[in-house]
Amino acid sequence: QKEVEQNSGPLSVPEGAIASLNCTYSDRGSQSFFWYRQYSGKSPELIMSIYSNGDKEDGRFTAQLNKASQYVSLLIRDSQPSDSATYLCAVHYGGNQFYFGTGTSLTVIP
Amino acid sequence: GAGVSQSPSNKVTEKGKDVELRCDPISGHTALYWYRQRLGQGLEFLIYFQGNSAPDKSGLPSDRFSAERTGESVSTLTIQRTQQEDSAVYLCASSLEWPGLESQYFGPGTRLLVL
Repeated sequence: QKEVEQNSGPLSVPEGAIASLNCTYSDRGSQSFFWYRQYSGKSPELIMSIYSNGDKEDGRFTAQLNKASQYVSLLIRDSQPSDSATYLCAVHYGGNQFYFGTGTSLTVIP
Repeated sequence: GAGVSQSPSNKVTEKGKDVELRCDPISGHTALYWYRQRLGQGLEFLIYFQGNSAPDKSGLPSDRFSAERTGESVSTLTIQRTQQEDSAVYLCASSLEWPGLESQYFGPGTRLLVL
């Protein structure tokens, strides 16, 4: 059984702080990792992807991958109230399926 | 251009009835996914279509669930003899190519409530 685990939260951070979201996965054969943002009542939207160990930065977002520890994280710098959403971690193992975690709810407090 | 559209946006049905959910992918997208998202849960893969290839049905939870897609156009997900545990948001996503790693676009979903 391929599993993707996330802390459901809620995670609350003050505006301007760094929000750190974590995800672990069970299968060492995992190849590709994704972070989706889902606003309440809306569909998910892709915000970051990462394929290699290390950090990948895109604006205020940084994805970090450690395949040895089977761990992927998302850092949001200078958090804004508009970042308040549920963040879904997804893992692709090379077949047709993407495996999603249950999501972490983030609230950025003004 | 137009995004992925789904209909109906909301559906309330009685236990035991059949329902049909529709997905219109982005024009030209060959890959199409159906997911189920229960309240407070992540996305659960249901079925995958890629062009004219045989679909990957490995995620369908029971034989009450079926889906069709004609070529690279509209897809329908049918749930027969609905049960209360089928209540969820059903999301469709399409992408330009397999497996859609960078370009998986989601529709707004159909919220299904089985009474």
